Amino acid sequence: QIQLQQSGPGLVKPSQTLSLACAISGDSVSTDTAAWNWIRQSPSRGLEWLGRTYYRSKWYNDYALSVKSRLTIRADTSNNHVSLHLNSVTPEDTAIYYCARGNPGSGVLDYWGQGTLVTVSS
Amino acid sequence: DIVMTQSPLSLPVTPGEPASISCRSSQSLLHSNGFNYLDWYLQKPGQSPQLLIYFGSNRASGVPDRFSGSGSGTDFTLRISRVEAEDVGLYYCMQTLQTRITFGPGTRVDF
Repeated sequence: QIQLQQSGPGLVKPSQTLSLACAISGDSVSTDTAAWNWIRQSPSRGLEWLGRTYYRSKWYNDYALSVKSRLTIRADTSNNHVSLHLNSVTPEDTAIYYCARGNPGSGVLDYWGQGTLVTVSS
Repeated sequence: DIVMTQSPLSLPVTPGEPASISCRSSQSLLHSNGFNYLDWYLQKPGQSPQLLIYFGSNRASGVPDRFSGSGSGTDFTLRISRVEAEDVGLYYCMQTLQTRITFGPGTRVDF
């Protein structure tokens, strides 16, 4: 059974870096049959795909244009998790953040983390 | 990026009655392999989104057969043959034809 367990702070100050982790069980972060995505949800933006990382003989990353200059997604093979690091945050980055496994063949996001509400406020 | 739109944005439903949601994309989602890269998700209150339909018309594992998807290219429809109480929530369409995934704005289904 594949499960994604998210962790990280619920409050981040403006201009700081938002960091979240997504622990994977039942699959490997370095599998060549999945991609590991981050999505966020806010009342103003709805569901917004942020980016992904995946392994195909080497590591690849794709990012949404809206956050590309501020976002880094990393895979940690030692701990079998994937992390999100969004720097220079503003209140507009306040959202529920989700990690999700992507199936490259069908494109679906078939397993999701439980979501983490992150508030950007001083 | 591909822009996704949905209608209606709010859908009052009656238990036992049918319901349908429309989704349109700014570009065709039909891949050269013959598949439409359009999925439907349901987000129940307080939960993460869950996959209902993939490739436009294929039900995901465990999804009741009262849910069906249809359409091709830029126009898609999700139908619920007989709405049940557990079907309330936000319904999203999502395209994965392009690397940068995009979602529709969501349709709120409620009694």
